[in-house]
Amino acid sequence: AQSVTQLGSHVSVSEGALVLLRCNYSSSVPPYLFWYVQYPNQGLQLLLKYTSAATLVKGINGFEAEFKKSETSFHLTKPSAHMSDAAEYFCAVGNFGNEKLTFGTGTRLTIIP
Amino acid sequence: NAGVTQTPKFQVLKTGQSMTLQCAQDMNHNSMYWYRQDPGMGLRLIYYSASEGTTDKGEVPNGYNVSRLNKREFSLRLESAAPSQTSVYFCASSEALASGVDTQYFGPGTRLTVL
Repeated sequence: AQSVTQLGSHVSVSEGALVLLRCNYSSSVPPYLFWYVQYPNQGLQLLLKYTSAATLVKGINGFEAEFKKSETSFHLTKPSAHMSDAAEYFCAVGNFGNEKLTFGTGTRLTIIP
Repeated sequence: NAGVTQTPKFQVLKTGQSMTLQCAQDMNHNSMYWYRQDPGMGLRLIYYSASEGTTDKGEVPNGYNVSRLNKREFSLRLESAAPSQTSVYFCASSEALASGVDTQYFGPGTRLTVL
């Protein structure tokens, strides 16, 4: 069984400030982890993914995430927020041999000018 | 290369009506998925198809049927729509690597309202 918890359904940060979106997972086997972004009225786009290689994963638009097995976490960060980062972000977990992903409930990021 | 396309973009139904949501992908992917997205609940898997000719239930299959018409197309049918099926529906596809876990590519969604 696998599950994802995203702490904070809404996060607001000032433009230029650090973005930190939290994701904790539960998985009985080594996980594959994903972050997706959804802009208003659009589908989901892949930001980055962890598939058991490097624990620090770099994605598009300056985002990165670090896999921490001891904390069962995969938090998403960006050093300096931009207005264009305003969107909803979803964390997802999958397992080897299982084509299904389990998604978190999402975090809506608002950027304050 | 259009990726994943969905039709229609918007639909309003009355309770009891039926309709089919269409999805097609041009990436030669093996696996296809149908999700629904509701506020505060994230994405929930309705049905998926690991390959042409196979379909399996996801987390919330009740009230839906699917057809994997060929490798490109995967349709979702509501036989008798209910207000609880008001949602945004997303289709996705993935290559399904040997690991079985691969990036899913999403369509733009269908916004369905059932009155």
